Formats: sequence, structure tokens, C-alpha cells
Amino acid sequence: QKEVEQDPGPLSVPEGAIVSLNCTYSNSAFQYFMWYRQYSRKGPELLMYTYSSGNKEDGRFTAQVDKSSKYISLFIRDSQPSDSATYLCAGSSNTGKLIFGQGTTLQVKP
Amino acid sequence: DAGVIQSPRHEVTEMGQEVTLRCKPISGHDYLFWYRQTMMRGLELLIYFNNNVPIDDSGMPEDRFSAKMPNASFSTLKIQPSEPRDSAVYFCASSRNTGLHGYTFGSGTRLTVV
Repeated sequence: QKEVEQDPGPLSVPEGAIVSLNCTYSNSAFQYFMWYRQYSRKGPELLMYTYSSGNKEDGRFTAQVDKSSKYISLFIRDSQPSDSATYLCAGSSNTGKLIFGQGTTLQVKP
Repeated sequence: DAGVIQSPRHEVTEMGQEVTLRCKPISGHDYLFWYRQTMMRGLELLIYFNNNVPIDDSGMPEDRFSAKMPNASFSTLKIQPSEPRDSAVYFCASSRNTGLHGYTFGSGTRLTVV
């Protein structure tokens, strides 16, 4: 079993929809959680990070962590075609070693 | 800031040949990570360095893979001999401190072994 599990999709939504992306993880030592966005043929770029459980909001993006159920979510409001990309969740303990999920491919159709 | 610089961007080589991938981290970053990305396995951590010292190489698939960081501004990942199953995109990333607020990734090297 991978330490971080993520449905690869693809997920296709119409422009303006609310998108929900989810991951589960198995390592109880994870304290830090991140979402990266990766456009085709580019390196991943950090979108959001959170520490421990709770919510964090940044513009149209909300990251949510529930440590009791080992569940990580990313919500995108008012999705845009420019949001079309692969979204990778990741977790880490305090070692700095970041473990990634498989990534979910999102397509937002105009 | 030029970001993390990787070279070459693309590499096509024949099975059995030696391949060397290069990375220049962001100045001031003291952690450097090498990842491999494939469709089947996603993004896998191969090895990471702190202050030029290898900390964890448990992700290196086998002895054919080696990585070095001779100074704070340069790292190499070498595959010798290369095999078709090594075909993947190899990313280098760097961070300040433990990177728990995120890494900065390079653009990757797309390796094809034929």
C-alpha cells in the first residue's frame, strides 16, 4: 500500500463548478500536508500547505486536513479552464521527506 | 532568482549507456531532492541531501543509480548502465530548511532509454 493514495481520475467539470480533490494517507507521523499543481510537461509547483488538522483558504482554493480519518482535501471554487492540470497531494513528518500521491488530472471545460 | 535548473531537458540514450542528469538548486537552499515520475508509479523520492550530505537514499532503485552533491550549487544523478525501465521524468527540487513549507521543483529531465 502506498503511503499516500489518490484517485488519478481524470476528472472533467464545466467552468464555474466546485471541484473536490481528495487523498488518503496511512502514515500517522505525517504533520505537514501540501498540494502541488503540475501543468503538462512542467515541474510541480506548490499550491498550498497546511500543518496538522484544519482548513486553510487562499482565494478560490481551500485545503482541508482531517487527521482522525487521515483524509486530505482540496476544494476549488469557480473553477477556470486555466485550473486544468494534475493536482498532487503530499504528506511529510518532520524529516522534510515529502511523499506524494499519484496525482489527479483535472480538466475544466469552457 | 532563476529557480532550480536541470539539464538536459531531454535525453535519449541506448540501453547500457551511462546517463548523467544535472541539477543546480536555488542559492541558499540547503536541501536537495531527486524524484522520478512515471505514469504507473507517480512521483517517487529517490534520494535527498542536506548541506551536501546524503540523508536518505532508500528510494534509489538499485546499485545502477548513484547521486552526488559535491558542493551547494550542483548535484548529479547517474545511471550506469541504463535500462529501458529507467525511462521517466526525473525532477530535482530544493528547499530552505526541511522544506516543510514546500519545495521548488525544476522543469525535469525527460529520459528515454531505447
